[in-house]
Amino acid sequence: DAGITQSPRYKITETGRQVTLMCHQTWSHSYMFWYRQDLGHGLRLIYYSAAADITDKGEVPDGYVVSRSKTENFPLTLESATRSQTSVYFCASSGGATEQYFGPGTRLTVT
Amino acid sequence: EDQVTQSPEALRLQEGESSSLNCSYTVSGLRGLFWYRQDPGKGPEFLFTLYSAGEEKEKERLKATLTKKESFLHITAPKPEDSATYLCAVQPLRSNTGKLIFGQGTTLQVKP
Repeated sequence: DAGITQSPRYKITETGRQVTLMCHQTWSHSYMFWYRQDLGHGLRLIYYSAAADITDKGEVPDGYVVSRSKTENFPLTLESATRSQTSVYFCASSGGATEQYFGPGTRLTVT
Repeated sequence: EDQVTQSPEALRLQEGESSSLNCSYTVSGLRGLFWYRQDPGKGPEFLFTLYSAGEEKEKERLKATLTKKESFLHITAPKPEDSATYLCAVQPLRSNTGKLIFGQGTTLQVKP
């Protein structure tokens, strides 16, 4: 099906472990984004990508790593998870400086 | 500093009781203003884009308007299925990468 998907939808991990959240879109959108959503903070941009092999930091990039070897995929890696990274993570894509389309989210709990 | 403030934080309406949600923004040049709807446990769903003051967009019971300092989302005769969190976001003129700055949202509850 066309659209944007995220996996896993739910993840529980321990402090210090590495975890990767996956994002896949079928629209061939150039731009992709990772946000985290927390109570009291709203949606905050972690990283974004303008095209394959082009990524840049957003508002809250510390502790996260991204890559984009293919246009359709934009994985987000927490290299050493901390409790403060417990959050709901959303991936989004857009065709340009236009509206973004969001995935269903990944709820991550770090214990 | 670019900023988006939404009010009220929460709004409870009776079915059929029309109201408006506010999105005030401070940005050095506006490329676009976006409204999204978010249901619990789901990702934001795109509703509208507004580009210039005076512009209006409508979809079913929703109408979005834009001035130079704020946007309103008017809800006419709401139904319980309109219950959701409504998010406003701005895209600064200087942003050619599609980056958005979000407000914290207004949670709307419509009671039958």
